Amino acid sequence: DQQVKQNSPSLSVQEGRISILNCDYTNSMFDYFLWYKKYPAEGPTFLISISSIKDKNEDGRFTVFLNKSAKHLSLHIVPSQPGDSAVYFCAAAHNAGNMLTFGGGTRLMVKP
Amino acid sequence: KAGVTQTPRYLIKTRGQQVTLSCSPISGHRSVSWYQQTPGQGLQFLFEYFSETQRNKGNFPGRFSGRQFSNSRSEMNVSTLELGDSALYLCASSLMTGDTQYFGPGTRLTVL
Repeated sequence: DQQVKQNSPSLSVQEGRISILNCDYTNSMFDYFLWYKKYPAEGPTFLISISSIKDKNEDGRFTVFLNKSAKHLSLHIVPSQPGDSAVYFCAAAHNAGNMLTFGGGTRLMVKP
Repeated sequence: KAGVTQTPRYLIKTRGQQVTLSCSPISGHRSVSWYQQTPGQGLQFLFEYFSETQRNKGNFPGRFSGRQFSNSRSEMNVSTLELGDSALYLCASSLMTGDTQYFGPGTRLTVL
């Protein structure tokens, strides 16, 4: 049973435009959410996180939105750059624990 | 500050053998978690260690074990290797349990 789902395996966006990556979860106990970016042959790189007490968190070009009633979060990248091309994973945790549950990932391709 | 380091980066073993992977966390980080990434199952939590104690364990058989030393370095061991254990094994460290986890580059294990 997948508790965290990223329903789009891939996304293609033009450079300079907005990239929107989506993530859905089923476990209402999750209270902390993170986004990681991963290049081939490297470990995931932390991008941004959000606690369930917030509905938005912003860091530079990256903004994460959380809709608790819909159990949905999204990552917005504005403007998108070719260097953003990677696989993006959303992850969730609960009870201030370290056990992250990951989605399956979305491959983002930013075209010049 | 140096990131999370993992050794070895690549490993080839045969079925039935055992393997030990090593992880050195970011300096000052006391929590170390291990994850397995496979094409079929994605990124899955193995276990977390804090202050030399296992705090959480994922849904993996007892062949998977780990430990943490007083300097926070961690090792994981897989005994009686199976073909399905071929995966990228990722280590992540955080200051404390519940803080943002930062990943190492991973160890690619191939079981023949």
